[in-house]
Amino acid sequence: EDKVVQSPLSLVVHEGDTVTLNCSYEVTNFRSLLWYKQEKKAPTFLFMLTSSGIEKKSGRLSSILDKKELFSILNITATQTGDSAVYLCAVANLRDNYGQNFVFGPGTRLSVLP
Amino acid sequence: EAGVAQSPRYKIIEKRQSVAFWCNPISGHATLYWYQQILGQGPKLLIQFQNNGVVDDSQLPKDRFSAERLKGVDSTLKIQPAKLEDSAVYLCASSWSGFSYEQYFGPGTRLTVT
Repeated sequence: EDKVVQSPLSLVVHEGDTVTLNCSYEVTNFRSLLWYKQEKKAPTFLFMLTSSGIEKKSGRLSSILDKKELFSILNITATQTGDSAVYLCAVANLRDNYGQNFVFGPGTRLSVLP
Repeated sequence: EAGVAQSPRYKIIEKRQSVAFWCNPISGHATLYWYQQILGQGPKLLIQFQNNGVVDDSQLPKDRFSAERLKGVDSTLKIQPAKLEDSAVYLCASSWSGFSYEQYFGPGTRLTVT
């Protein structure tokens, strides 16, 4: 069965701290790994990773994928209260005829205190 | 461009009642997804459409859930009869094709079954 595991499930830090969120996966036919930020309702896209060892960066956020060990990390440096959200990891699982489907992890709830 | 639209945004019903959700994807998007997100969990795929055809409904509880996308545009998801455990946020997402890595999510419908 395809699965995505995230850790920790919950994290409380203070502004300025650096955090590392973890995602490990087991899927049938890996295509890509995606990170989302979910604040209220709809997840918003952060990164997509397909190749091992290549870091993606956007401001204070960065992510890297290790396809050999089947995991990814999301780093947030100098955290701000606006970073408080649930961070979802999803894996795109390639299917034969119609493309792919997405398997989501449970998310990491990050709370950044002032 | 206009985003994915969903309605209603909130719905409260009693168990054994019926409910329907509507989704209008981004214009031109061939692939449409319905997800169920129970509080504290990641989104779980219920059904995936490619144009007006179903390509994956393996996790849809077919004894009570149904979905259609008749003209390959709008979609409706129905629950009949609802159970307490159906309380969740129902997210609709769309993408250009089944191979697109990026999904665009709607705001979701929060269903409470009492």
